[in-house]
Amino acid sequence: EADIYQTPRYLVIGTGKKITLECSQTMGHDKMYWYQQDPGMELHLIHYSYGVNSTEKGDLSSESTVSRIRTEHFPLTLESARPSHTSQYLCASSEPSSGTGGVNEQFFGPGTRLTVL
Amino acid sequence: KNQVEQSPQSLIILEGKNCTLQCNYTVSPFSNLRWYKQDTGRGPVSLTIMTFSENTKSNGRYTATLDADTKQSSLHITASQLSDSASYICVVSDRGSTLGRLYFGRGTQLTVWP
Repeated sequence: EADIYQTPRYLVIGTGKKITLECSQTMGHDKMYWYQQDPGMELHLIHYSYGVNSTEKGDLSSESTVSRIRTEHFPLTLESARPSHTSQYLCASSEPSSGTGGVNEQFFGPGTRLTVL
Repeated sequence: KNQVEQSPQSLIILEGKNCTLQCNYTVSPFSNLRWYKQDTGRGPVSLTIMTFSENTKSNGRYTATLDADTKQSSLHITASQLSDSASYICVVSDRGSTLGRLYFGRGTQLTVWP
């Protein structure tokens, strides 16, 4: 069982609020990821990190920001939430792949369902 | 453009029956293909991972096949159970970057009725 945690599981907030979605993993993985998923749609990568002090933007443009001060912790912050941010946010982590042909299995957290009114 | 297409979009079967889900991809250069199961409101959980040289892999009642020549994969579920009701997502990884970029399908929503 993968040990990756996300809190809160559900969040309903008003427009303009600042929020932070928490993600922690106890597997010592260097790589961590944030995905956004709308109902019936594919996951879209919004942020990733190779390790401490490393953060990169993913394929889908997002107004959120992330930080990676500790290996196990990868929080995502929205400075001013809007209804368009309503979605499910999934955090994942992975071990380093063994070369470019190696398998890079990602373990997912349970997700945070965010609703902005 | 790297894409992953899944069919059918949704499927309803009776408990105890078998079913097969399809995945076609255009991702290149190919590294591996994985099938995930995602229960409603949860994160995806890996079922199988196959590299280029593997053409079949089983995990209990789940059997995945891969044809790297035609870029097709299938997931066969045997003797379905109510707990199999979930979205099944096909994910393909490329080997063109150190990130191990993943390309996700939209999933097949499987419902198993008693």
